[in-house]
Amino acid sequence: AQTVTQSQPEMSVQEAETVTLSCTYDTSESDYYLFWYKQPPSRQMILVIRQEAYKQQNATENRFSVNFQKAAKSFSLKISDSQLGDAAMYFCALGSQGNLIFGKGTKLSVKP
Amino acid sequence: EAQVTQNPRYLITVTGKKLTVTCSQNMNHEYMSWYRQDPGLGLRQIYYSMNVEVTDKGDVPEGYKVSRKEKRNFPLILESPSPNQTSLYFCASRGTGGLIYGYTFGSGTRLTVV
Repeated sequence: AQTVTQSQPEMSVQEAETVTLSCTYDTSESDYYLFWYKQPPSRQMILVIRQEAYKQQNATENRFSVNFQKAAKSFSLKISDSQLGDAAMYFCALGSQGNLIFGKGTKLSVKP
Repeated sequence: EAQVTQNPRYLITVTGKKLTVTCSQNMNHEYMSWYRQDPGLGLRQIYYSMNVEVTDKGDVPEGYKVSRKEKRNFPLILESPSPNQTSLYFCASRGTGGLIYGYTFGSGTRLTVV
C-alpha cells in the first residue's frame, strides 16, 4: 500500500521569512512522481511543484523548492520570502500509474 | 480553456434521495478520478477510471457509484445518500502520459446531506 504522511497539521511563518513543510511517503513502485498542491480558501487545488522520482535534482519553481531524499522517502517543500497569499492548505501527493494519494495536509498561516 | 467542470458547486439534499454530481473534462484525458475531502483526513480517492468503460475502486468507494460511458464524462452517483457523505468532492483528470504534469482538478462540489 502507498502512504503519504504530513506530520505538521499547522504551521506559521512571518511574512518574508522561509518555512519548510514536511512530507514522507512509502511506495513499492519504482516509477512515481511527487507533488505539492496548494488549496487556498477558494478551495481550488493548485499544483505548486512536481518532482520525478528518477531525477536526483530537486525541483524549483520561483520561491518554492523541494528537498527530495529518495532513500529516506522524504519530500519537503520550502517556501522562501513568504507572502500573505501563500496562506493555504498544502497537500503532499504521491502519483503512480493509476493513482494519486494525498497526505492529510498542512495549514499554513502567514503573519504580516 | 482546458478545464475540469463539476456541477453543482453546492448541493444540499435529504437522506436517501438519489443524486448525481457531474464531471466533464475537455482535454481528452484518459484518466479520471473522484476524491472526497474531509477535515483532518485530506483527500481520499473514491473511484477512478483509466479509460471508457474501465473503472475501479479507490480507498472509500462504499455508498458511491460511477460510470464512464464517454471519455469526457465521469459522473458520481449517490443512490441513497447518508449524512456521513457530507463532504467536499473533487473530480480530477490527467492524460495517459501526463503524470508528470499532475492532475487537473475541478472546482469542487460541497455536498450536505441532512
